[in-house]
Amino acid sequence: EDKVVQSPLSLVVHEGDTVTLNCSYEVTNFRSLLWYKQEKKAPTFLFMLTSSGIEKKSGRLSSILDKKELFSILNITATQTGDSAIYLCAVGIGGAQKLVFGQGTRLTINP
Amino acid sequence: NAGVTQTPKFQVLKTGQSMTLQCAQDMNHNSMYWYRQDPGMGLRLIYYSASEGTTDKGEVPNGYNVSRLNKREFSLRLESAAPSQTSVYFCASSEVWEGTEAFFGQGTRLTVV
Repeated sequence: EDKVVQSPLSLVVHEGDTVTLNCSYEVTNFRSLLWYKQEKKAPTFLFMLTSSGIEKKSGRLSSILDKKELFSILNITATQTGDSAIYLCAVGIGGAQKLVFGQGTRLTINP
Repeated sequence: NAGVTQTPKFQVLKTGQSMTLQCAQDMNHNSMYWYRQDPGMGLRLIYYSASEGTTDKGEVPNGYNVSRLNKREFSLRLESAAPSQTSVYFCASSEVWEGTEAFFGQGTRLTVV
């Protein structure tokens, strides 16, 4: 069974802190790993990773994939209250052509 | 830029009623998905369609049926709604084999009373 597991499920930090969110996976035919941010509505796309060891970066957010150990991390530096959201990890599975999500990490940034 | 259009946005049903959620995409994607999201949780895959004419069960298919009407449209039907189906439903599309991101509809908030 294809499985995507995120940790922690919930995280509360102070503004300015750095956070690391984790996503591990066990799937039959890995094609890609995607990170999304969800506030009140539909998820919005952050990153897609397909190759190990290559960091993707956008402002204060960055992500990297380890295909040998089957995990990815999402880092957010100098957090702001606007970073409060649910962060979702998904894995694209070739063959079946499906996209499986983890449970999400609820991140709360306190001023 | 329509992307993925999902209707309706809100719906209240009585237990035992039926309804169909509609989804259409204009990006020529082969793969389409229906997910449900319960409070504070991630997205759970109900059904997906890897291409026109094919549909497959995801992790929570019980109580639902789907139709891939053509390449653009993928509908989700609740034949006899139950309170446990109260949730937010998202339709999405992507091209997994090309490694593209998934694009989402705006969601349907469904309440079954």
